[in-house]
Amino acid sequence: QKEVEQNSGPLSVPEGAIASLNCTYSDRGSQSFFWYRQYSGKSPELIMFIYSNGDKEDGRFTAQLNKASQYVSLLIRDSQPSDSATYLCAVNVEDDKIIFGKGTRLHILP
Amino acid sequence: GAVVSQHPSWVICKSGTSVKIECRSLDFQATTMFWYRQFPKQSLMLMATSNEGSKATYEQGVEKDKFLINHASLTLSTLTVTSAHPEDSSFYICSASRMKADSQPQHFGDGTRLSIL
Repeated sequence: QKEVEQNSGPLSVPEGAIASLNCTYSDRGSQSFFWYRQYSGKSPELIMFIYSNGDKEDGRFTAQLNKASQYVSLLIRDSQPSDSATYLCAVNVEDDKIIFGKGTRLHILP
Repeated sequence: GAVVSQHPSWVICKSGTSVKIECRSLDFQATTMFWYRQFPKQSLMLMATSNEGSKATYEQGVEKDKFLINHASLTLSTLTVTSAHPEDSSFYICSASRMKADSQPQHFGDGTRLSIL
């Protein structure tokens, strides 16, 4: 059974601080990794994707990938109240098919 | 960026009704689209992979005769929930990837909230 594991939270972070979200996956053959943000009652929105080991930065967001440890993370710098949402980690398992973790609820404290 | 349109946003109907949900890729061609279902406070569960010009591939436990999928063109996939019952009430979301782009991210429609009375 291929799985993606995330801490469900909630993770509470003060405004302006760095939020760190983590994800592990079971399928060593996975090559593509995605972070989606989902507000309550809305559909997921793509935040970042990463294919290679190391860091990938986009604005306030940094995705980190370590394939040897089967670990993906998302850092959000200068956290804002609007960042409060559920963050879904997703991993490809075959062709274009991806599986999702259960998500981490992030709460930015004003 | 890629835009996926899903319609309708909300459906409320009586038990036994069949409901059709449309998913369109507006600015790119999608040979593959995906249908997910999400129950409250749970993650997205893949129901089926919709393939243009061929039969959909259903995940284990998903009844293909209950959830009919048609992918008639490179920009349109439809999901029909046949004879819907209250337990089918859920948030249904489609997604699509760009054609011939391995490992490209999936872009999601806005979802359809289905409530069966």
